Amino acid sequence: EDKVVQSPLSLVVHEGDTVTLNCSYEVTNFRSLLWYKQEKKAPTFLFMLTSSGIEKKSGRLSSILDKKELSSILNITATQTGDSAIYLCAPVYNQGGKLIFGQGTELSVKP
Amino acid sequence: DTGVSQDPRHKITKRGQNVTFRCDPISEHNRLYWYRQTLGQGPEFLTYFQNEAQLEKSRLLSDRFSAERPKGSFSTLEIQRTEQGDSAMYLCASSYDRVQETQYFGPGTRLLVL
Repeated sequence: EDKVVQSPLSLVVHEGDTVTLNCSYEVTNFRSLLWYKQEKKAPTFLFMLTSSGIEKKSGRLSSILDKKELSSILNITATQTGDSAIYLCAPVYNQGGKLIFGQGTELSVKP
Repeated sequence: DTGVSQDPRHKITKRGQNVTFRCDPISEHNRLYWYRQTLGQGPEFLTYFQNEAQLEKSRLLSDRFSAERPKGSFSTLEIQRTEQGDSAMYLCASSYDRVQETQYFGPGTRLLVL
């Protein structure tokens, strides 16, 4: 059965800290992996990762995929209170493109 | 550029009633997905359409659930004889085929079954 595990499930840090969120997956017919940020509303898109070892970067956020280890990480540097949210990773099925979401990591950034 | 829209945003109903939700995808997107999210969990896939064809349904989707996308544009999700366990956020997402497979989500419809 397909499985996505994110760790940690929750994390409390102070502004300015750097965090690393982990996502591991066991998904048949894997095509790519998406990261989303969810703040008490619908998920908003962060990154799409298709190739292993190539870092995607957007401001203070970056992410990389390791297809050999079936995992991905999301890094956030110099965290701000606005980064507080649930971060979801979702492998994409090769056929149909449905997403299989992990439980998410709830990040809380304290001032 | 309008994003994905969903209506209603909130719905409270009594057990046993039928409810229908609507999703309008981003206009050029030919794929439309429905997900359900309960508190503390990531969204769970329910079904998806490519144009007007419903191509996959999750085994989570009981016979009480039906979805349509009659003209390949908006979609409706109907739940018949609602149960308290149906209480959740129902999310719609759309994408443009496999070329740009990033899915963009609507604001969701939060359903509460009393």
